[in-house]
Amino acid sequence: QQPVQSPQAVILREGEDAVINCSSSKALYSVHWYRQKHGEAPVFLMILLKGGEQKGHEKISASFNEKKQQSSLYLTASQLSYSGTYFCGTGYSVTGNQFYFGTGTSLTVIP
Amino acid sequence: KAGVTQTPRYLIKTRGQQVTLSCSPISGHRSVSWYQQTPGQGLQFLFEYFSETQRNKGNFPGRFSGRQFSNSRSEMNVSTLELGDSALYLCASSLGQGRGNTEAFFGQGTRLTVV
Repeated sequence: QQPVQSPQAVILREGEDAVINCSSSKALYSVHWYRQKHGEAPVFLMILLKGGEQKGHEKISASFNEKKQQSSLYLTASQLSYSGTYFCGTGYSVTGNQFYFGTGTSLTVIP
Repeated sequence: KAGVTQTPRYLIKTRGQQVTLSCSPISGHRSVSWYQQTPGQGLQFLFEYFSETQRNKGNFPGRFSGRQFSNSRSEMNVSTLELGDSALYLCASSLGQGRGNTEAFFGQGTRLTVV
């Protein structure tokens, strides 16, 4: 049930925008987004729950389309600090007994 | 507030040996999850503990086991190591009972190399 992320990798110039997508083949309860910089631990960005609730950092924007079973993470006016690997995690119940991370999207922002 | 602490940070073991990794969650967090991270595979779920009970388990062989202590600290054990076990092992703690709607805080990981 591992979600599919796209693109696998993207290179941006500072100030450009990017969208990272996460798709599931099953109905979703929640989608989680994390960012991992090289050599560091993954860091929480946002949780989007079925029904519309969101928890996360104010500067991060994401959408959750329950019907299409997919989520998108929007990175606008990218900065060098946005570089890293972005993982989506998909939950299929509130207990999280079925929860899977995608293989990640590598984002590189260049000057 | 101290973060999630994993020890050791690096480990080199020989095939056939066993290894124990440790994770101390954030104070007050009772849920601990373990993940294996390898290039191209993302984060593969190993198991989750809550209040000393294993709540969920991923699709890993029985050589991978874990436990959680009364102070919420968790250990992961891998027996009869194989070359393919070389990976970064990440531990994550969370406040809530379910991974589905709770933010997880990750440790820096233990880099295991099997030679």
